[in-house]
Amino acid sequence: DTGVSQNPRHKITKRGQNVTFRCDPISEHNRLYWYRQTLGQGPEFLTYFQNEAQLEKSRLLSDRFSAERPKGSFSTLEIQRTEQGDSAMYLCASSFRGNRSPLHFGNGTRLTVT
Amino acid sequence: TQLLEQSPQFLSIQEGENLTVYCNSSSVFSSLQWYRQEPGEGPVLLVTVVTGGEVKKLKRLTFQFGDARKDSSLHITAAQPGDTGLYLCAGVETSGSRLTFGEGTQLTVNP
Repeated sequence: DTGVSQNPRHKITKRGQNVTFRCDPISEHNRLYWYRQTLGQGPEFLTYFQNEAQLEKSRLLSDRFSAERPKGSFSTLEIQRTEQGDSAMYLCASSFRGNRSPLHFGNGTRLTVT
Repeated sequence: TQLLEQSPQFLSIQEGENLTVYCNSSSVFSSLQWYRQEPGEGPVLLVTVVTGGEVKKLKRLTFQFGDARKDSSLHITAAQPGDTGLYLCAGVETSGSRLTFGEGTQLTVNP
């Protein structure tokens, strides 16, 4: 399977703990995106990379959130000092370069903060 | 305020009925995409429209991009239970590079 892979699929953590999610994009794609989605809503943009460069970050991405793509392949999204409001589905997507290129999404990591 | 407003937010219809979902904005988009998402999965691309006034058909689904590239619609003919899902429009503004999603239309087709 050469689709976008996200791990873990589910994560339950206590408030105040740190969590890290991983995304493995489609290998030929040079863009990688992170989105957050709450139940019944559309995905909200968090950040995106072109190769290893982080080109844009949403104001939603507070200083507790950090994303990396060190070698231009896989990416990690870390949330420090989690809050209950961080509970959501975190979606990763990849695409070829170009604003019209379709995004290929993974199946997400569902985070529950208790 | 949402950049892309979708309506209706929820739609429940009987098998065989027709329906239209709308995606509206005050911004101009260089392109607009429609995705469908099922529970527990990521969105999957249905179509990309690029040219103002463009119409694309995908079996029973017809997509239209507004002449001014500010709005789009999705029409489904003779809906089937397999069409059930969250339909999302998403666009890239002419001045930007990020893909922004609407809030989605949750469609339920009852047998």
